[in-house]
Amino acid sequence: GQQLNQSPQSMFIQEGEDVSMNCTSSSIFNTWLWYKQDPGEGPVLLIALYKAGELTSNGRLTAQFGITRKDSFLNISASIPSDVGIYFCAGQDSNSGYALNFGKGTSLLVTP
Amino acid sequence: GAVVSQHPSWVICKSGTSVKIECRSLDFQATTMFWYRQFPKQSLMLMATSNEGSKATYEQGVEKDKFLINHASLTLSTLTVTSAHPEDSSFYICSATALYTEAFFGQGTRLTVV
Repeated sequence: GQQLNQSPQSMFIQEGEDVSMNCTSSSIFNTWLWYKQDPGEGPVLLIALYKAGELTSNGRLTAQFGITRKDSFLNISASIPSDVGIYFCAGQDSNSGYALNFGKGTSLLVTP
Repeated sequence: GAVVSQHPSWVICKSGTSVKIECRSLDFQATTMFWYRQFPKQSLMLMATSNEGSKATYEQGVEKDKFLINHASLTLSTLTVTSAHPEDSSFYICSATALYTEAFFGQGTRLTVV
């Protein structure tokens, strides 16, 4: 599979600030997903997007599936210390057996 | 969400020995299971895709004779690292999906080969 371009690589912010990260790929996907991974754990699904242009929220998290189907972004509003972790985007293509292609991750640090 | 259990959570083995990692879907039947490897501070890289009852499909550069995958039932897949070497030390993560549904991840297995 391909590795997606995810940026920024890391972010160091203060509690209460908003965060934005994005992901692009060279090919189109049917599904975009955003995961959070804590150290020593498997990724946990945050938001799944199934349709181009779709904008979905999950609490303080908002993600959008780009119109071109080659990009997605994740916003976190009013960050809190427990938001610390690594965030991964992933693209899924049914033609490739539903395997996930991951971005390199965005490491988020939040200071109180 | 659905539960995927991976066992063991961590394992230390001697160089040259084999290690088996299990991945179980606890509350759904997984038609497909995926195995990923993650080195420190890096992303997850797909190693192989396994469908129940058929041979696994390996990604380019992954040795199928070294990383044996068995998907004998709709709830269990195993990854065996044969003749492990220190460079095989990594975090191995499985995910499972039923047809047309999201993939859910296990908690990962930290393998250290000494």
